[in-house]
Amino acid sequence: AQKVTQAQTEISVVEKEDVTLDCVYETRDTTYYLFWYKQPPSGELVFLIRRNSFDEQNEISGRYSWNFQKSTSSFNFTITASQVVDSAVYFCALSEGPDSGNTPLVFGKGTRLSVIA
Amino acid sequence: DAGVIQSPRHEVTEMGQEVTLRCKPISGHDYLFWYRQTMMRGLELLIYFNNNVPIDDSGMPEDRFSAKMPNASFSTLKIQPSEPRDSAVYFCASSVGGWNTEAFFGQGTRLTVV
Repeated sequence: AQKVTQAQTEISVVEKEDVTLDCVYETRDTTYYLFWYKQPPSGELVFLIRRNSFDEQNEISGRYSWNFQKSTSSFNFTITASQVVDSAVYFCALSEGPDSGNTPLVFGKGTRLSVIA
Repeated sequence: DAGVIQSPRHEVTEMGQEVTLRCKPISGHDYLFWYRQTMMRGLELLIYFNNNVPIDDSGMPEDRFSAKMPNASFSTLKIQPSEPRDSAVYFCASSVGGWNTEAFFGQGTRLTVV
């Protein structure tokens, strides 16, 4: 069975601080994908990144960066110089590959980030 | 493309009534998913379709829930009869290829059963 754990339920930071959102996953599959989604106050889910299990390179996109470590089954998300517009709920998700029947996204419970001006 | 379109955006109904939620996926997407979001349980997958065929409905909570996809551009999620514990935000999402690509979500339907 697959599982995604986001241990941080809520985080509050002051604008311009850096913040890291943790994601730990469990899977027995060797082929899988990890995702991050953002859910702003308006409610829709916005895709941020996808990473497959064979690519452990870290990724940076503007103020966003992701650290994927298979050794610790983690896929953490860092926002540098946070802004008020970053306030949202962030979800980490996992999907498994052919060995597990190509399962759809399973989401963690989310981390609510509040950035205070 | 307008993205995944869900209707209605908000629905308030009385316990025991039938509720139908609607979804139009992105054109060309071959997978469609229905998720439910609650504070207690987070985002749960209810059912998903591939090329209009239901693949896995193990997440559907009870027989009161049913979903159909009569064609590639339309899906419904029906609850009959509705109960207060069905109150949640219901999301529809679509993707190309299913498990290994990002899913695009609609804006959700907030259902309140009183």
